[in-house]
Amino acid sequence: KNEVEQSPQNLTAQEGEFITINCSYSVGISALHWLQQHPGGGIVSLFMLSSGKKKHGRLIATINIQEKHSSLHITASHPRDSAVYICAVRPPWNYGGATNKLIFGTGTLLAVQP
Amino acid sequence: NAGVTQTPKFRILKIGQSMTLQCTQDMNHNYMYWYRQDPGMGLKLIYYSVGAGITDKGEVPNGYNVSRSTTEDFPLRLELAAPSQTSVYFCASSYRQTYNEQFFGPGTRLTVL
Repeated sequence: KNEVEQSPQNLTAQEGEFITINCSYSVGISALHWLQQHPGGGIVSLFMLSSGKKKHGRLIATINIQEKHSSLHITASHPRDSAVYICAVRPPWNYGGATNKLIFGTGTLLAVQP
Repeated sequence: NAGVTQTPKFRILKIGQSMTLQCTQDMNHNYMYWYRQDPGMGLKLIYYSVGAGITDKGEVPNGYNVSRSTTEDFPLRLELAAPSQTSVYFCASSYRQTYNEQFFGPGTRLTVL
C-alpha cells in the first residue's frame, strides 16, 4: 500500500463545477504539499499545509491531521485548471531513509471540459 | 529571476553512455533536489543537497552521482546509462527544508535505448 493515496485517479468535470480531490496518508507528517503539473510537464507548488485551511483564488486546501486526510477544492472550474494535481507529504525528521524527502502521491488527472 | 532551470529538455542515450543533467537556481536557495518521475508513479527522490559541498542520497540513488560546488548549481551525473533510467527528471530547490515550498525546474525527458 502506498503511503500517500489520492482519489480519484482521473476526474472529468464540466466548466463551472466544484471539484474535490482527496489525499490520504498513512505516516505522521510535518507538512503536506499540493502541486500542479501541467501537460507540458512543469510542476508548480500550490499550497503547503501543516494544519487547517488555505485559500488562493479559486483553490482551497484543507487538512485534517487526526484523520490523515487532505482535500483540494477548485471552485468555478475552468478548462485552464486541467492538469495533474499531486499531493506530497513530508514525514518527521526521524522517518526511515532520507530525512529530507517528500513522499508523493501518483496524482489526479483533471480534465475540465468547456 | 529565472527560478530553476534545467538542461537539456530532451535527450536520447544509448546503453552505457554517460551524461550530466544540469540544474541551476538563482534564488539563493540552500536546499536542492533531484527527482525522477516514472509513468503511474509518484516522484522519487534521487539525491539532495542542503548546501554547497553537502549532498546525500535519496530513495533511488543507484546509478547516479551528484556534486554541489556552488549554491546555484546541482548537476546530476549518469555514468553508465541503463534502460531503467528512462524517465523524466526534475530538479527542485527550496530555501529551507521544512515548511518551505519547493520550486521545480521544467524537467528533462531522458530515454535510454
